[in-house]
Amino acid sequence: GNSVTQMEGPVTLSEEAFLTINCTYTATGYPSLFWYVQYPGEGLQLLLKATKADDKGSNKGFEATYRKETTSFHLEKGSVQVSDSAVYFCALSDPGGNNRLAFGKGNQVVVIP
Amino acid sequence: ETGVTQTPRHLVMGMTNKKSLKCEQHLGHNAMYWYKQSAKKPLELMFVYSLEERVENNSVPSRFSPECPNSSHLFLHLHTLQPEDSALYLCASSQNSRGAYNEQFFGPGTRLTVL
Repeated sequence: GNSVTQMEGPVTLSEEAFLTINCTYTATGYPSLFWYVQYPGEGLQLLLKATKADDKGSNKGFEATYRKETTSFHLEKGSVQVSDSAVYFCALSDPGGNNRLAFGKGNQVVVIP
Repeated sequence: ETGVTQTPRHLVMGMTNKKSLKCEQHLGHNAMYWYKQSAKKPLELMFVYSLEERVENNSVPSRFSPECPNSSHLFLHLHTLQPEDSALYLCASSQNSRGAYNEQFFGPGTRLTVL
């Protein structure tokens, strides 16, 4: 079946540091890949997406590249801000086209001033 | 109101109570979803509605009963819940539920605590 794996544990870093959150996936077909962000007290928001191999999604300084050969979609940001503190979820859409999402467990990111 | 709204934002209930969660979307979408978000677990899709018809039920216990009276409103009726049902319940909507992926828009969730 389809599944998404995110690195374990929260991520704590200082302002202006480089952020990487790893995401790998398993899928039987060719899914689209997503990063969602959940700020405290809010629902999930789509941060970026990529729909085919080698696509790069980007938004608000975040980037992720769809790597089919390593089945990965790692999230990166070059210089984080305190306002980036949130939970980040990697997800894939069912390649069968039924609009279902499979989510990873999420990573809490805490940015310290 | 814009986007997807959920009420109440917080709910505490005993195991013998009956309560309902409400979701409303103001986006003109045709599909609505209930998810359960528990600590240290991936989001779990519970139910999917398309044009007011339930199209998916992911082995959810019968103590959770969804209702979709129209394409803008979705309810989750709760009765005789267990403490392990305590979680954040998220509602989402999308333009359609099938075909090429449509972005899902999420509400802020209802934080449910079962005593």
